[in-house]
Amino acid sequence: EAQVTQNPRYLITVTGKKLTVTCSQNMNHEYMSWYRQDPGLGLRQIYYSMNVEVTDKGDVPEGYKVSRKEKRNFPLILESPSPNQTSLYFCASSPRSSGETQYFGPGTRLLVL
Amino acid sequence: KQEVTQIPAALSVPEGENLVLNCSFTDSAIYNLQWFRQDPGKGLTSLLLIQSSQREQTSGRLNASLDKSSGRSTLYIAASQPGDSATYLCAVEKAAGNKLTFGGGTRVLVKP
Repeated sequence: EAQVTQNPRYLITVTGKKLTVTCSQNMNHEYMSWYRQDPGLGLRQIYYSMNVEVTDKGDVPEGYKVSRKEKRNFPLILESPSPNQTSLYFCASSPRSSGETQYFGPGTRLLVL
Repeated sequence: KQEVTQIPAALSVPEGENLVLNCSFTDSAIYNLQWFRQDPGKGLTSLLLIQSSQREQTSGRLNASLDKSSGRSTLYIAASQPGDSATYLCAVEKAAGNKLTFGGGTRVLVKP
């Protein structure tokens, strides 16, 4: 089944404890992206990647890192999480860099205490 | 900076009634516009994608129109069903780079 998977789905952590949210797609998509969704602010792009080893900042990249060593994986790294990074995170992928439907993962709900 | 607005923020209709959801955007230089559905606690599911050169797209009971010059799109859902209850999001893609700018969504409740 074609899908985007994220792990973990739910995470409670404490300020400053490094964490990684994994994202994997099995559709051989070139483009992958991370969004966060917050009440009243909607969905905002954090980082995106047009292909392996090619990443760039979205609208709200501060406090996040990403890597794209393989085509299928696009992990989101929070080196030192803070409470303002409490949010619902979505990974998405699409076949090409533009003009195509984006496929979203199920989301990761993160709470930083 | 592109801004996308969806009005109303919430909508409640009786089963069988047609739904009309509105989306407006400030910059008409878009590559495409997409409509998504989001169920509580779940990810987004793509419903329709309208390329900038198109005026509308249809899929089953769903029809989306696009008027780029006025910066508007409308999603019509015919003969609504309780299973249509969800939040509907529109998003526009810039001319390059596949960055999506999302509206705030319209939360729809279809009452049996």
